[in-house]
Amino acid sequence: IAGITQAPTSQILAAGRRMTLRCTQDMRHNAMYWYRQDLGLGLRLIHYSNTAGTTGKGEVPDGYSVSRANTDDFPLTLASAVPSQTSVYFCASSREAGGGTDTQYFGPGTRLTVL
Amino acid sequence: GNSVTQMEGPVTLSEEAFLTINCTYTATGYPSLFWYVQYPGEGLQLLLKATKADDKGSNKGFEATYRKETTSFHLEKGSVQVSDSAVYFCALRRVENRNQFYFGTGTSLTVIP
Repeated sequence: IAGITQAPTSQILAAGRRMTLRCTQDMRHNAMYWYRQDLGLGLRLIHYSNTAGTTGKGEVPDGYSVSRANTDDFPLTLASAVPSQTSVYFCASSREAGGGTDTQYFGPGTRLTVL
Repeated sequence: GNSVTQMEGPVTLSEEAFLTINCTYTATGYPSLFWYVQYPGEGLQLLLKATKADDKGSNKGFEATYRKETTSFHLEKGSVQVSDSAVYFCALRRVENRNQFYFGTGTSLTVIP
């Protein structure tokens, strides 16, 4: 079944550690996104990528980095995790970036706890 | 700026009751508007969308009408089922940067038999 996979499902991490959240889609979508979901705040965009080789900053990019070496993968890295990065992280993709009313498809999420 | 405000939950309804979840937005121009649903333990799924004023999005018995004059996109369903229990998110897509979606805080709905 086509879709988006994320790994790990959940993770407990010590503050100061480096962590990479993985995201892979098999729909050949050009655009990909990372969101964090926090209670009372909804979803906030961290970073996005219009197409392989390009990335952009969203609403809350500080403390996070991304790369887009190919169409399918869009890893999110926390270089030095802090407790405020405790959240549920969702990866999403859409067929095109910037066109019409393109729908975003979401992965199942990664629950990250930073102690 | 751009923002979405939706009614706070949680909302608890009996099966077959009428549902309304309010959503209002602030944006420049004419953004596209969306409702997403999140079932327990899953990611968000698109429920319906509307691209211009007076458009009505509909899916699975849910409806929402894009009201430019009141900057609203309220979600309605005439008769809810237990399987509709989920968290519902209203969202807008920026006109200036179509990569940028703004989501509301979500409204939790529980439908009891």
